[in-house]
Amino acid sequence: ETGVTQTPRHLVMGMTNKKSLKCEQHLGHNAMYWYKQSAKKPLELMFVYSLEERVENNSVPSRFSPECPNSSHLFLHLHTLQPEDSALYLCASSQDSQGGYGYTFGSGTRLTVV
Amino acid sequence: QKEVEQDPGPLSVPEGAIVSLNCTYSNSAFQYFMWYRQYSRKGPELLMYTYSSGNKEDGRFTAQVDKSSKYISLFIRDSQPSDSATYLCAMSAGGMRFGAGTRLTVKP
Repeated sequence: ETGVTQTPRHLVMGMTNKKSLKCEQHLGHNAMYWYKQSAKKPLELMFVYSLEERVENNSVPSRFSPECPNSSHLFLHLHTLQPEDSALYLCASSQDSQGGYGYTFGSGTRLTVV
Repeated sequence: QKEVEQDPGPLSVPEGAIVSLNCTYSNSAFQYFMWYRQYSRKGPELLMYTYSSGNKEDGRFTAQVDKSSKYISLFIRDSQPSDSATYLCAMSAGGMRFGAGTRLTVKP
């Protein structure tokens, strides 16, 4: 397992459900990210947190709600999702929000919305 | 024009072949260039990292950056079946941008 741990690995949820994705890093990194990965598309940046403050929000629908209680943990709260939200959700961390030294990714949560 | 362009493949080669993976980009401000490898059911892992132009070699892997042409490459020598994965290029200038990834299969 890498230094970034994501749970759960798989999630199936109905459109009316509420669920949360969890990400944890023990690398001492100061920035954490949520990405959406869909087939044959580039990684889509959703949210960026630097030193526990949200610094970027790429026009993500409000049905996705991030939370960063401390520099080691990141959550993505999900509610009333749509089938097109089915994708692999990746958490990543980096030394700083510039990402110049690259990111460390978790293994992702495979989300299926039914 | 997309900020980062990468041919999604798929690319299939025999074991032992030299593999060439490429990306082009439009933003001349990019200074950090990376290649990530992603195995099935896993997250991307950083494979190669280069700052500005030039070459970098690590074992069977060589990364090249040509900033004048806005073109980066990853070469894999003596490819192995274990190299079968999706390779994503990425570049940064205060924010990471990823290519769509090229799926590579190395056949025994």
